[in-house]
Amino acid sequence: GAVVSQHPSRVICKSGTSVKIECRSLDFQATTMFWYRQFPKQSLMLMATSNEGSKATYEQGVEKDKFLINHASLTLSTLTVTSAHPEDSSFYICSASGTGGWRGLNEQFFGPGTRLTVL
Amino acid sequence: DAKTTQPNSMESNEEEPVHLPCNHSTISGTDYIHWYRQLPSQGPEYVIHGLTSNVNNRMASLAIAEDRKSSTLILHRATLRDAAVYYCILSGGGSGGSNYKLTFGKGTLLTVNP
Repeated sequence: GAVVSQHPSRVICKSGTSVKIECRSLDFQATTMFWYRQFPKQSLMLMATSNEGSKATYEQGVEKDKFLINHASLTLSTLTVTSAHPEDSSFYICSASGTGGWRGLNEQFFGPGTRLTVL
Repeated sequence: DAKTTQPNSMESNEEEPVHLPCNHSTISGTDYIHWYRQLPSQGPEYVIHGLTSNVNNRMASLAIAEDRKSSTLILHRATLRDAAVYYCILSGGGSGGSNYKLTFGKGTLLTVNP
């Protein structure tokens, strides 16, 4: 099956600093990548959708200047949380999909997630 | 996005079948029914998907009502490793991109007793 990795798996940072999270598709070309956020005991919330080589589309209520998304290649997307604050502490999960998927439909393959803690 | 309704939680015994229901009365003709599951502190994992016909794979079976307003995920023999939150999600078919956004609800927390 398709494998998606995320790095780092955990990060702790001080308030006001920026944190970059990488999402890689290891064995397929991901034309579309998605970024989700999940707070404790809540469901995943889609933050943005990014297509390779173009600007990300953000969901309503998600600040695009705070959550910078770059999808420069077919195997890598990055999410940068700028000027992080304690309320940004969350579980960030990426997913990737490619054209002509295994199952004849563009499935999303999820990464293992990144736990961000802002002190 | 078309919404789904699932029970908050279900309980099963190990090695017994589990039937996880999902109601989606506002499903459109092009919506696929997807099931994902999420183990604690992990990203979601694809389980199965279907459109109109029942589907089987190595993980589970998906039974879709004739009117497509409900579906049931069937785990034939639950194991302790199947304990997870199961999400039933509707998403449009097509060539991907924004057509394929997944909107996660609260899902069903499945507990498997040894």
